Amino acid sequence: DIVMTQSPLSLPVTPGEPASISCRSSQSLLHTNGHNYLDWYLQKPGQSPQLLIYLGSNRASGVPDRFSGSASGTDFTLTISKVEAEDVGIYYCMQTLRFWTFGQGTKVEI
Amino acid sequence: EVQLLNSGGGLEQPGGSLRLSCAASGFTFGNYHMAWVRQAPGKGLECVGSISGNDGRTFYADSVKGRFSISRDNSKNTLHLQMSSLRVEDTAIYYCAKVLTTDHSFWYGLDVWGQGTTVTVSS
Repeated sequence: DIVMTQSPLSLPVTPGEPASISCRSSQSLLHTNGHNYLDWYLQKPGQSPQLLIYLGSNRASGVPDRFSGSASGTDFTLTISKVEAEDVGIYYCMQTLRFWTFGQGTKVEI
Repeated sequence: EVQLLNSGGGLEQPGGSLRLSCAASGFTFGNYHMAWVRQAPGKGLECVGSISGNDGRTFYADSVKGRFSISRDNSKNTLHLQMSSLRVEDTAIYYCAKVLTTDHSFWYGLDVWGQGTTVTVSS
């Protein structure tokens, strides 16, 4: 099974400042087709999760451009360029290369 | 509007069975792969299983294999999760979700989620 490890597990943020979350996979998520099979999700308090990023760096429809994803080997990063108050919640990475497994989640709070 | 509506949760005893449903609207349901994801109280997300849009292929997490079964009725735009031999550790909010891609080989991006339905397994 592919194990996903996120860090930090808790992230205090300041509105207007950048923030980043890391996710490491136990195996490469890079397929020979050139895609990294890694999604990012945000679960706001009391809500269902929502898709932010797919294939490592593609923003989902309607997601603000302050959110970006990057990949380097088995290391993945979600970056928020300027945090807004509405960005609080728990962020999860999920690998989609072999079945699907989530990271533990990173709680972002102001 | 693209929407998924979960139903069917409740309280069940260990060893019992429950059937969850997910009604889809606003998109061509049969074209898309679908998934079930659960979240135990105060815990993270776990993918329970998934089903392809056209040929009904299913995939399950090891934790539910042999006990849970995913099916779909494309004529009624409905997804089901049949749960049997329930255990206390199956207690969770269960979400259905739509897969972003229609690719047959690579499924990624859960882009639409239901509101979730709560399953409690307790004696």
